[in-house]
Amino acid sequence: QKEVEQDPGPLSVPEGAIVSLNCTYSNSAFQYFMWYRQYSRKGPELLMYTYSSGNKEDGRFTAQVDKSSKYISLFIRDSQPSDSATYLCAMSAPLNTGFQKLVFGTGTRLLVSP
Amino acid sequence: DAGVIQSPRHEVTEMGQEVTLRCKPISGHDYLFWYRQTMMRGLELLIYFNNNVPIDDSGMPEDRFSAKMPNASFSTLKIQPSEPRDSAVYFCASSSASGPQGLKGYTFGSGTRLTVV
Repeated sequence: QKEVEQDPGPLSVPEGAIVSLNCTYSNSAFQYFMWYRQYSRKGPELLMYTYSSGNKEDGRFTAQVDKSSKYISLFIRDSQPSDSATYLCAMSAPLNTGFQKLVFGTGTRLLVSP
Repeated sequence: DAGVIQSPRHEVTEMGQEVTLRCKPISGHDYLFWYRQTMMRGLELLIYFNNNVPIDDSGMPEDRFSAKMPNASFSTLKIQPSEPRDSAVYFCASSSASGPQGLKGYTFGSGTRLTVV
């Protein structure tokens, strides 16, 4: 079983729809949760960063973390064709020393049609 | 800042040939990472460096893979000999710090798409 599971999609929605993207994980030590957006032929770029449980909102994007269920979500309101990309969740556990390695989901491909 | 720069963008090579991928991290970033991305396995960390020193290479798939960082502004990932199963997109990333701030500052290059035929 992978540490982080993510539905690969593709997820196709019309412009203006609310999009829900999700990941589940198995490692209860994860404390830092991130969402990356990756456009075709580009590297991933950080979209949202959350520590521990709770919600975080940034414009049309909301990240939710439910540590009791080991489940994280990214919501996109009023989706736009420019949101069409692959969305990867990533997680990390704190370390006393050294770099906290990121564990990525495989990504969900989102297609927003005009 | 130009970001993390990788070259070449695309590489097509024949099985058995040596392949060298190159990366220039963001100036001032002390951590450099090499990842491999495939449809089946997603993004996998191969190796990372801190201050030019390899710290964790447990993700390197086998002895055919090697990585070096001779100075703070340059790193290479070499595959010798290459095999068709090495076909993937290879990303380099850099960060300025460990801990949570390092996670926020994680920056990826645009990747090298490797095809081994």
